[in-house]
Amino acid sequence: QVQLVESGGGVVQPGRSLRLSCAASGLTFSGFGMHWVRQAPGKGLEWVALIWYDGSTKYYADSVKGRFTISRDNSKNTMFLQMNSLRAEDTAVYYCATDSCSTTSCYPDSWGQGTLVTVSS
Amino acid sequence: NFMLTQPHSVSESPGKTVTISCTRGSGSIASNYVQWYQQRPGSAPSIVIYEDNQRPSGVSDRFSGSIDRSSNSASLTISGLKTEDEADYYCQSYNSNNQEFGGGTKLTVL
Repeated sequence: QVQLVESGGGVVQPGRSLRLSCAASGLTFSGFGMHWVRQAPGKGLEWVALIWYDGSTKYYADSVKGRFTISRDNSKNTMFLQMNSLRAEDTAVYYCATDSCSTTSCYPDSWGQGTLVTVSS
Repeated sequence: NFMLTQPHSVSESPGKTVTISCTRGSGSIASNYVQWYQQRPGSAPSIVIYEDNQRPSGVSDRFSGSIDRSSNSASLTISGLKTEDEADYYCQSYNSNNQEFGGGTKLTVL
């Protein structure tokens, strides 16, 4: 079965950077797009970014555009989220999720357990 | 971008049926499929409905989804409520290059 394990979270000061990783197993990683979705403490889900299966196309939420970069290494079955110029409002649990596709649509499907990022001085 | 609006909370008794709505603010609800996710306290979300009304394998047939063009909304219906259904439920959809989640609905089974 699909297993996604996020890592790299922690406490970071405002304005600094952090890099999250998502290690995948139990699937042909290179055949799936991947999402990052975050959840601030006590709040709802917020989509952050999507990368296509081959890394050729990337999409970002307006709230992180220009500060966050999504990438992947298919040889290592791993996806990344480089987060720069972090703000207090970026504090959240960050989940990675597979982008599963039928013949008609794609959608977030399997999710990891998340990694907590806290931006605080 | 567009918004998906859900009621903040709903409650119902065990054995009953509950419906959670998700209204799309702009654009037609029928133009892009809607997914539904369940998130129990302390856990990651898991999908319970995809493409408006499709149930993933392993999800109970007590869960069903639909869309209503007249109200521009999607609905998640859970029948035969169990205490284990108590969770937050999120709708999700997309357009162009953006994905959106509803604000979530807290379901209490009491």
